[in-house]
Amino acid sequence: QVQLVESGGGVVQPGRSLRLSCAASGFTFKSYAIHWVRQAPGKGLEWVAVISYDGSNKNYADSVKGRFTISRDNSKNTLYLQMNSLRAEDTAVYYCARDAEMATDAFDIWGQGTMVTVSS
Amino acid sequence: QSALTQPASVSGSPGQSVTISCTGTSSDVGVYNYVSWYQQYPGKAPKLMIYEVSNRPSGVPDRFSGSKSGNTASLTISGLQTEDEADYYCSSYTSSSILYVFGTGTKVTVL
Repeated sequence: QVQLVESGGGVVQPGRSLRLSCAASGFTFKSYAIHWVRQAPGKGLEWVAVISYDGSNKNYADSVKGRFTISRDNSKNTLYLQMNSLRAEDTAVYYCARDAEMATDAFDIWGQGTMVTVSS
Repeated sequence: QSALTQPASVSGSPGQSVTISCTGTSSDVGVYNYVSWYQQYPGKAPKLMIYEVSNRPSGVPDRFSGSKSGNTASLTISGLQTEDEADYYCSSYTSSSILYVFGTGTKVTVL
């Protein structure tokens, strides 16, 4: 069964750090680019970051550039998002999503999401 | 880079058709055929419904169809069913620094 499972969310104070993980199974993880997408409570989807299949290329949304770092460990089939200098506006459900197998620039497999709350 | 513009809500009776628009710019929807559509139920993850403007992944009913004209893409649901009641988001690749932009989202209500 092809799936992505996020973990690591929680409540954190502004300015602190948090690391999210996304464990993949059921497909050849090392062959796919993977994205992070977030959704603030009651709001729409926002693309956050992407990492290429081998980790050599990374891109970020302007809202997180310089604060968040995406990485992956293909030996562990796991994606990470290191989030530093967190702000209240980073409060959201964070999803990892696979670059679509059959398409260009679409996301075909999504995790269930992990909630991050930034609050004092 | 602003979000793509979608109507906040659309509604229809079972069996009817509804169309959701997704308006972007000449930096995204207008220049790339990399528009996708996602269905999201409350508290659930999004699901890919349409990719590359008009293609359906395996398993998506053929009552869902996509198209594009200029800077506006559209998702049409024909023969509306109660299980189609959900939020729908468009997405496009963009030549701006952020690479991908989502729409503002549309709530589809089946009357």
